[in-house]
Amino acid sequence: DADVTQTPRNRITKTGKRIMLECSQTKGHDRMYWYRQDPGLGLRLIYYSFDVKDINKGEISDGYSVSRQAQAKFSLSLESAIPNQTALYFCATRETELTGYTFGSGTRLTVV
Amino acid sequence: DQQVKQNSPSLSVQEGRISILNCDYTNSMFDYFLWYKKYPAEGPTFLISISSIKDKNEDGRFTVFLNKSAKHLSLHIVPSQPGDSAVYFCAASEETSGSRLTFGEGTQLTVNP
Repeated sequence: DADVTQTPRNRITKTGKRIMLECSQTKGHDRMYWYRQDPGLGLRLIYYSFDVKDINKGEISDGYSVSRQAQAKFSLSLESAIPNQTALYFCATRETELTGYTFGSGTRLTVV
Repeated sequence: DQQVKQNSPSLSVQEGRISILNCDYTNSMFDYFLWYKKYPAEGPTFLISISSIKDKNEDGRFTVFLNKSAKHLSLHIVPSQPGDSAVYFCAASEETSGSRLTFGEGTQLTVNP
């Protein structure tokens, strides 16, 4: 099993629909992150969480919300999807500041 | 405001030669730098990192150099192999950011046999 699992892998949804992207990890790390990747822009941070009770906005949180249901689970929601949220979304976990992230395989989301 | 920039969207090298990927940053508070490699349909994977107290870190074929005065870091891959073909992301963090990473745009490296 992968250390960080994202579901679904691919999703096409219509403008205005609510959609949830799920992430679970088996690393036992407290820190979890959601990033989106767009061509030419690299990865940008949406939300991050240091534990179940700690949720923080990243640089592009507008239009998104998150839920940390347990240490191992961190889901990202688009309340009302719009086409410019079409992107590749990555969940990641990290043990400490000095260790690299472990990323999931990504969710490719298309909003039509 | 792009705080971490990779000015070369792509780089092509011959197998066996050196690949040099460059990254510039503007935030002088960054104190930890990382490189990630990404293959298609996979998440980025951690490659190598360097703390601001060092100017060089080496791991096998991969070496990262940090020039703090120029706010510049580079990743050297020697010798380059076709399996190194991937997108490489530079990333940086500062101690006060709570381990958030700021990523560059990525450089597509192609190593030709």
